[in-house]
Amino acid sequence: GQNIDQPTEMTATEGAIVQINCTYQTSGFNGLFWYQQHAGEAPTFLSYNVLDGLEEKGRFSSFLSRSKGYSYLLLKELQMKDSASYLCAVGDYGQNFVFGPGTRLSVLP
Amino acid sequence: SAVISQKPSRDICQRGTSLTIQCQVDSQVTMMFWYRQQPGQSLTLIATANQGSEATYESGFVIDKFPISRPNLTFSTLTVSNMSPEDSSIYLCSVKEDGAMNTEAFFGQGTRLTVV
Repeated sequence: GQNIDQPTEMTATEGAIVQINCTYQTSGFNGLFWYQQHAGEAPTFLSYNVLDGLEEKGRFSSFLSRSKGYSYLLLKELQMKDSASYLCAVGDYGQNFVFGPGTRLSVLP
Repeated sequence: SAVISQKPSRDICQRGTSLTIQCQVDSQVTMMFWYRQQPGQSLTLIATANQGSEATYESGFVIDKFPISRPNLTFSTLTVSNMSPEDSSIYLCSVKEDGAMNTEAFFGQGTRLTVV
């Protein structure tokens, strides 16, 4: 079966650091993707992990542990524009994605 | 990166009618997907649109309700048939570029459908 879990909502303060966790149990694994989705807009790609470890991209970093079925997205120096939903997605062997429920992040001044 | 044009961007439809959503990509891609995003929820894959053959539907989705066309490598349509208020959702077209196995997906802007 396919199961991806994320916290439903998180709140953080501008300038702070926030970590959004994702755990997964999927029948196939072809990489772990993070997407950002602002309200009323399409998802946009943030990061991708296929090997264990940390991938850093500016203010955003993503970590993967395949043995634990675990990933996190780390956002540093939070800005108001980072208020959005963050979707964890697992690529399966069928070339498509299984998306998690998404985490709605609110950044407060 | 692929650029996807999806239309209409939104529509309000009467129950019992059908709506066809179009997805145009600026490059030829093998893999095109249709997703549904119900209010406040994440994305659920409806089907993979295959060029030259019938679409591959996920569990819970059937061709009679969501017929899909894929006449060439740059275009696809999704029809939502015999609509009911439960079909009110955002429908998203997505593509993966040909080449590497593990590539990100690109999304159209979505079609916000309200059925009244």
